[in-house]
Amino acid sequence: AQSVAQPEDQVNVAEGNPLTVKCTYSVSGNPYLFWYVQYPNRGLQFLLKYITGDNLVKGSYGFEAEFNKSQTSFHLKKPSALVSDSALYFCAVRVLAAKAAGNKLTFGGGTRVLVKP
Amino acid sequence: KAGVTQTPRYLIKTRGQQVTLSCSPISGHRSVSWYQQTPGQGLQFLFEYFSETQRNKGNFPGRFSGRQFSNSRSEMNVSTLELGDSALYLCASSLAAAPRHGYTFGSGTRLTVV
Repeated sequence: AQSVAQPEDQVNVAEGNPLTVKCTYSVSGNPYLFWYVQYPNRGLQFLLKYITGDNLVKGSYGFEAEFNKSQTSFHLKKPSALVSDSALYFCAVRVLAAKAAGNKLTFGGGTRVLVKP
Repeated sequence: KAGVTQTPRYLIKTRGQQVTLSCSPISGHRSVSWYQQTPGQGLQFLFEYFSETQRNKGNFPGRFSGRQFSNSRSEMNVSTLELGDSALYLCASSLAAAPRHGYTFGSGTRLTVV
């Protein structure tokens, strides 16, 4: 079974400061990892994904994430947070080449980010 | 290109009724997945369709069902609605079954059961 943990329900950061949202995962096999952001009353908006290759993945809106296989982590980072980054962030995983599992994504519980001016 | 379209955006139903939600994927996308989002349970996988075939199903009762049409549009149906079915239902489409193509989500259908 695959699982994702986002240990922080909420992260507070001042505008202009670095932002980190933590994610750890557990899978049998090689993972595909994703980060999504959700604004109020909206669906999930794709930020970035790790499939294979370089452990540092750059995504939309200045976000990046670092894949760490030994720590089974995929933390989301942004060097300088904006007030408009305030939203709900989800980490998700699915297993590479697990055809029987289909296209199922397993999500973490979400982390609410509040960026204060 | 147009994104994933889910209709309706909001729905209010009474306990015991049934409901059908619709999802039109991005043109050319053949895989459609459905997720339920609630404050208590978070995001949970319902089912996935690819080329009109259900490939995977989540841990939901048989009251939850779905299908996919030849044009890749998908519907999900919930029968005998319960208060606990109140949720945001999200549809995601992808180009093919392989997840390297990524998933694009719709804005969701907010279902309220009263």
